[in-house]
Amino acid sequence: KAGVTQTPRYLIKTRGQQVTLSCSPISGHRSVSWYQQTPGQGLQFLFEYFSETQRNKGNFPGRFSGRQFSNSRSEMNVSTLELGDSALYLCASSFTGASTDTQYFGPGTRLTVL
Amino acid sequence: QQPVQSPQAVILREGEDAVINCSSSKALYSVHWYRQKHGEAPVFLMILLKGGEQKGHDKISASFNEKKQQSSLYLTASQLSYSGTYFCGTVGTGGYNKLIFGAGTRLAVHP
Repeated sequence: KAGVTQTPRYLIKTRGQQVTLSCSPISGHRSVSWYQQTPGQGLQFLFEYFSETQRNKGNFPGRFSGRQFSNSRSEMNVSTLELGDSALYLCASSFTGASTDTQYFGPGTRLTVL
Repeated sequence: QQPVQSPQAVILREGEDAVINCSSSKALYSVHWYRQKHGEAPVFLMILLKGGEQKGHDKISASFNEKKQQSSLYLTASQLSYSGTYFCGTVGTGGYNKLIFGAGTRLAVHP
């Protein structure tokens, strides 16, 4: 079974630009969560989608948004990029998103904002 | 609120044991443990559920004290491959898959 895939793996953008990251979950998984990982703040929850609906949201500004498609693939978008948005963005998938479900992480997208 | 992990870092010789602790100030429904190697994605190790159920790695054990809102990960007879950063992620009651991660514990195992 293929794992979680994320594209692109690396991105370099400049301040003020916007970026879209993509995540394809494990086949059969309907929940996709997004996390931001930085050396200073660690792993922080961004949001979670299930059946195309955002069910949970972390404490991030409105510049961070996401969506999920009917095939469970998800995208996240960051608008008006700031230097502090430089991070590893990880997505994780699980069957239903229940708190007893295992989340499987993708390899991440490394975003650098110059 | 972020769970607190201790210790922040551990250095071991192959074959030695270690315990990593995770403590929360909030009531927990489940605790998830992951290991992340440098430049790689976090890899699932274990889930500990309220009520005592565990799911995960057969060579790593863990405990979950619901009353104290604490979990511990036990690494016995460590191997070089155990090196990495260990994260606990906690889910509060009603939190679906919103994992709140601790800051991590860096483990280095040397020959």
